[in-house]
Amino acid sequence: EAQVTQNPRYLITVTGKKLTVTCSQNMNHEYMSWYRQDPGLGLRQIYYSMNVEVTDKGDVPEGYKVSRKEKRNFPLILESPSPNQTSLYFCATRGTVGSYEQYFGPGTRLTVT
Amino acid sequence: AQSVTQLDSQVPVFEEAPVELRCNYSSSVSVYLFWYVQYPNQGLQLLLKYLSGSTLVKGINGFEAEFNKSQTSFHLRKPSVHISDTAEYFCAVSLNAGGTSYGKLTFGQGTILTVHP
Repeated sequence: EAQVTQNPRYLITVTGKKLTVTCSQNMNHEYMSWYRQDPGLGLRQIYYSMNVEVTDKGDVPEGYKVSRKEKRNFPLILESPSPNQTSLYFCATRGTVGSYEQYFGPGTRLTVT
Repeated sequence: AQSVTQLDSQVPVFEEAPVELRCNYSSSVSVYLFWYVQYPNQGLQLLLKYLSGSTLVKGINGFEAEFNKSQTSFHLRKPSVHISDTAEYFCAVSLNAGGTSYGKLTFGQGTILTVHP
C-alpha cells in the first residue's frame, strides 16, 4: 500500500529543545516536501527536495532544516523551536514529472511552550 | 508567483442542500488545479484535479468542480450534501512548469463546510 508515514504524530516540547520529525515514503518518489498548516493561512511549504542530496527552501523556511540522505526519508529538523512554530506539519511526496497527484502524510501536531 | 483565494472561510448548510465552495487563483503561467478535503483530525485527501481537457471535473464522494479560465476560478460543488461531508476543504494550484516550480502546491486559506441535520 502506498504510504507516507510521519513520526511522532503529536509532540509537546519546550522552547529551544532540538527536535526532529521524521517522514518516510514507500513509493520511490523523488519529490518530497514539508508544509505547515495554520488556521486561516492554509498550508505553506517549508522545504522541498527534488531528489537525494537536493533540497531547497519553500515559502516559510526560517527556523527549520531538512536533509535528504536517502530517497525514502525526509526529516524536518527544528534546531531551536520557538512558540511560533506551534503548528500542524505535513510531509508530502510526488512522483516523476507527469505524475500530478501528491500524497500527504497523516500530520504531526507540534506544540512549543 | 501564484496565489489562491478561497472566498468563504466558513460555509454552513443543511443536509441534502446544494453547496458551492469558491476558489479563485492568479498565475502568470498555466496551472493545474486541485481540491483537497481534510476531515477532523486527519490528513489531506485529494477530491479532484484539473490538468487539461474538459473544464468540468468529477471527483470522489459526488463532488465536481468547474475550471473557468477567463474568471480564473475553480469552484467546487455538490448537489446534495451529507452530514459526513463536514470537513475543511482546500483549493490548491501547481504551476504547469518544471524546474524548481515542479511539485509545489500553493494552497488557499481553507473553507470549513459544516452540514447541519
